[in-house]
Amino acid sequence: GQSLEQPSEVTAVEGAIVQINCTYQTSGFYGLSWYQQHDGGAPTFLSYNALDGLEETGRFSSFLSRSDSYGYLLLQELQMKDSASYFCAVRDQGDSSYKLIFGSGTRLLVRP
Amino acid sequence: SQTIHQWPATLVQPVGSPLSLECTVEGTSNPNLYWYRQAAGRGLQLLFYSVGIGQISSEVPQNLSASRPQDRQFILSSKKLLLSDSGFYLCAWSAGTSTRNEKLFFGSGTQLSVL
Repeated sequence: GQSLEQPSEVTAVEGAIVQINCTYQTSGFYGLSWYQQHDGGAPTFLSYNALDGLEETGRFSSFLSRSDSYGYLLLQELQMKDSASYFCAVRDQGDSSYKLIFGSGTRLLVRP
Repeated sequence: SQTIHQWPATLVQPVGSPLSLECTVEGTSNPNLYWYRQAAGRGLQLLFYSVGIGQISSEVPQNLSASRPQDRQFILSSKKLLLSDSGFYLCAWSAGTSTRNEKLFFGSGTQLSVL
C-alpha cells in the first residue's frame, strides 16, 4: 500500500518563506500532488510533480526527488490567506490506480 | 465549464436514522467519482470510488454504501447511522480519460453530525 508523512503543523510570519515536506512509501510511483484546504472548505489542487525537480506556479513551488521518496511544497511571500491545511497525495497502484491517497495534512498558520 | 454540486451543506441526524448524500457533476462525461470523509482536523479518508455507471469500489466495509445510477450522479447512503459516521463528507471527480489523472475537483462538502 501507499503511505505518506507530513508534519502536522507549521507556523511562519507574513512575508516569509515556508517549506512543507512530504515523504512517501509506495510500491510504485506515478507522481506527487499537493492540495490546499481552508477551514470548512473543500480541498483545491495546487500542483503535481511526476519528474524530479522544481515546478513553479506563482508564489508556490513544488519539488520532487524520486530517489529519496521525498517532496516539498514551498510557499514564498507568505500572506495571511495562505493559512490553511496542505495535503500531499499519491496515486495507488495496479487495479486501484484511480485512487488518490492523501497524507494527514500540514496545518500552516501565518502570523502577522 | 465543469461544476460539481453536493448537498446538503450541513446535516444533523439521530443515531440509527438513514442517510442519503447526493453529488452531481456537470460539464463533463464519464468522470471518475469519489467519496471522501474527513474527521475534524484530520486527513482525507477514501470511502468509495467509481469509474463508471454501476461500478463501485469500496474502501470502507462498514455501514455506508454508494451508488452511481447515472453517469454524473454519485450517492452515499446508510441504512442506520452510527455516532462514528460524523464527519465532513466530500464528493470529488476527475477526468476519466486516464488512470493517471492527478487532479481532483471537490464539492463543497457536507458536514454530518450524528447525535
